[in-house]
Amino acid sequence: DAGITQSPRHKVTETGTPVTLRCHQTENHRYMYWYRQDPGHGLRLIHYSYGVKDTDKGEVSDGYSVSRSKTEDFLLTLESATSSQTSVYFCAIADYNEQFFGPGTRLTVL
Amino acid sequence: KNEVEQSPQNLTAQEGEFITINCSYSVGISALHWLQQHPGGGIVSLFMLSSGKKKHGRLIATINIQEKHSSLHITASHPRDSAVYICAVGVGFGNEKLTFGTGTRLTIIP
Repeated sequence: DAGITQSPRHKVTETGTPVTLRCHQTENHRYMYWYRQDPGHGLRLIHYSYGVKDTDKGEVSDGYSVSRSKTEDFLLTLESATSSQTSVYFCAIADYNEQFFGPGTRLTVL
Repeated sequence: KNEVEQSPQNLTAQEGEFITINCSYSVGISALHWLQQHPGGGIVSLFMLSSGKKKHGRLIATINIQEKHSSLHITASHPRDSAVYICAVGVGFGNEKLTFGTGTRLTIIP
């Protein structure tokens, strides 16, 4: 299995609070991604990174920010969580080929 | 934006049957991915292909670039094949951005 972990795995929070999700890899892969998965939708890209301090927006980036200060860590921040951000969040890594997915984080915003 | 359509959305079959899941996309791609999402939520990459055919065990993936169509076949299906199968297409160098279909839920009955 690709060395990729996500933390926390489950989180319940209240509307308006900040939330940070962490993705950690041990593979030294260049690309890292954050997706959200919702019923009726395919996985949708939130943000991705193509190197340390190099990030770009995906198709559903509003309300989210990211940071990558080290190759191994990619953080996703919800500055002020809303109920529409209740979802399952997946991190993925890639190195020019197939993507490997983390176990997912289930986030509930009340 | 590339649209990815999968069919069928749901498929129930008896153990041992030959299974086919289809994926169509709307614009040119650099590669197509087939992923498997287990009932517990984990996502595993099955295939990445840009032409022709690939085989791994009882799974076979084919792609027709001219027709913008791919199929995933499962021979001698087994209840452990029950999962959601997701098609995704990549555009750009290194496949850094994927567009996903909404998945096909496969249930194999013993």
